[in-house]
Amino acid sequence: GENVEQHPSTLSVQEGDSAVIKCTYSDSASNYFPWYKQELGKGPQLIIDIRSNVGEKKDQRIAVTLNKTAKHFSLHITETQPEDSAVYFCAARETGTASKLTFGTGTRLQVTL
Amino acid sequence: DAGITQSPRHKVTETGTPVTLRCHQTENHRYMYWYRQDPGHGLRLIHYSYGVKDTDKGEVSDGYSVSRSKTEDFLLTLESATSSQTSVYFCAISERTSGRALAGELFFGEGSRLTVL
Repeated sequence: GENVEQHPSTLSVQEGDSAVIKCTYSDSASNYFPWYKQELGKGPQLIIDIRSNVGEKKDQRIAVTLNKTAKHFSLHITETQPEDSAVYFCAARETGTASKLTFGTGTRLQVTL
Repeated sequence: DAGITQSPRHKVTETGTPVTLRCHQTENHRYMYWYRQDPGHGLRLIHYSYGVKDTDKGEVSDGYSVSRSKTEDFLLTLESATSSQTSVYFCAISERTSGRALAGELFFGEGSRLTVL
């Protein structure tokens, strides 16, 4: 099955700086890579996703890049704000697996003033 | 917010007792999932369902069973709870739509915190 590794486990940045979270996956058949944000006491919520036929996708201050050859993908948050503080999970989905996602272990992002 | 309700939200029980967690959705989504979240492990899939009475195992299914008798309800049962099943359990739902064909964005519930003493 798929295995997703995520780094770092914790990340502290100053407000206004950029944050980068990296993930690698093992199964070259995976074709869908979402990122979820989990605020304290809540369930994860999708913030951005990318499919294997695209190398980069951007949504305002958030971007995701995918390198299929190296089997890694990254989340980039620019101009970080205190409300970006949360736990972020990357995930990968294998082709034809009924939307089953394999998640990374999570990154706790702290944006300090 | 997606209409997903998990119950109970908090439960403390003793080793060896049965426990049932309920997930109820009002979105009429086909797919439903149970994940557990533990420090250092992220979210791990326990069981999932792709229709009424159609279920399959995830990566950490030992000690758990599920049932789905109606589209809107997905039950997770621990037949005999153990301390290793102390965790936060999340239900999620998804559906294929024309805008996200084969993508299946997951919508998560608020979680159920289970403590097994």
